[in-house]
Amino acid sequence: EIVLTQPPGTLSLSPGERATLSCRASQSLSSNSLAWYQKKPGQAPRLLIYDTSTRAPGIPDRFSGSGSGTDFTLTISSLEPEDFAVYYCQQYNNSPLGFGPGTRLDI
Amino acid sequence: QVQLVQSGAEVKNPGASVKVSCKASGYTITNHYIHWVRQAPGQGLEWMGVINPSSGTTSFAEKFQGRVAMTRDTSTRTVYMELHRLTTEDTAMYFCARDRSGYSVNAFDMWGHGTMVTVSS
Repeated sequence: EIVLTQPPGTLSLSPGERATLSCRASQSLSSNSLAWYQKKPGQAPRLLIYDTSTRAPGIPDRFSGSGSGTDFTLTISSLEPEDFAVYYCQQYNNSPLGFGPGTRLDI
Repeated sequence: QVQLVQSGAEVKNPGASVKVSCKASGYTITNHYIHWVRQAPGQGLEWMGVINPSSGTTSFAEKFQGRVAMTRDTSTRTVYMELHRLTTEDTAMYFCARDRSGYSVNAFDMWGHGTMVTVSS
C-alpha cells in the first residue's frame, strides 16, 4: 500500500503570497498518477490537478502541480481569500487508492 | 447539467446496515467508474472502493472487505453503497465521486454533495 504524507500539517500565509504544498509517496508513482483536491467545510472536494500537473477544467492558472517519483508539489502563485482551505493529494497509481492527511492553508 | 445527487442523511444503531444512493445525471453512467470516499468528523478523506457501472465489477479497500457492497441500477442511473455491521467509528460523511477516465482508474472529477451517516445508540 502506498502511503502519502503532506508536511506541514498547517501552512499560515497571507493573501497575495505564494503557497507551496508538498506531498511525498512511500513508493514511486511510476505513471505520475497523482491528483490534488481542495476541500472546504460543508462542501465536496474539488479536483484541482490530475496526472501530477494537468489543471482540471475551470481551475484558475494560479494553481499548478509538479513533481515525479515520490515528491510532488502544488503551488498557488498568489493566494486569493477563497484559497484558504484544506488540500489533499491522492495517488491512483496502485490499489488501494489513497489520500494524504491534508495540509490546512490558514490565513 | 452533469451532477451526482446522493440520498439524505441517515441515523443508525450500532450493528445495523446503511444503504446510500448516488444518482447520476447529464452523462452516461456506464462510461465512468464511481468511487466512494468517506470523511469522519475532523478527519481526512478515506477511499472505500470503486464500482464499474458498466460491468458491476467492484474493488474495495481491505479495511472494508466483507462489510461493504457496491451495486448499480443502470436503468435509473443510480449507484448504491451499503455498509453492514455499523459501529460508531463509521459515523462520517459519505461521498460518491466520478472517475474522470472512461477506461481506467484516475482522479475524481465530480463529487456528490455527501450523505451524513450517524451511528449512535
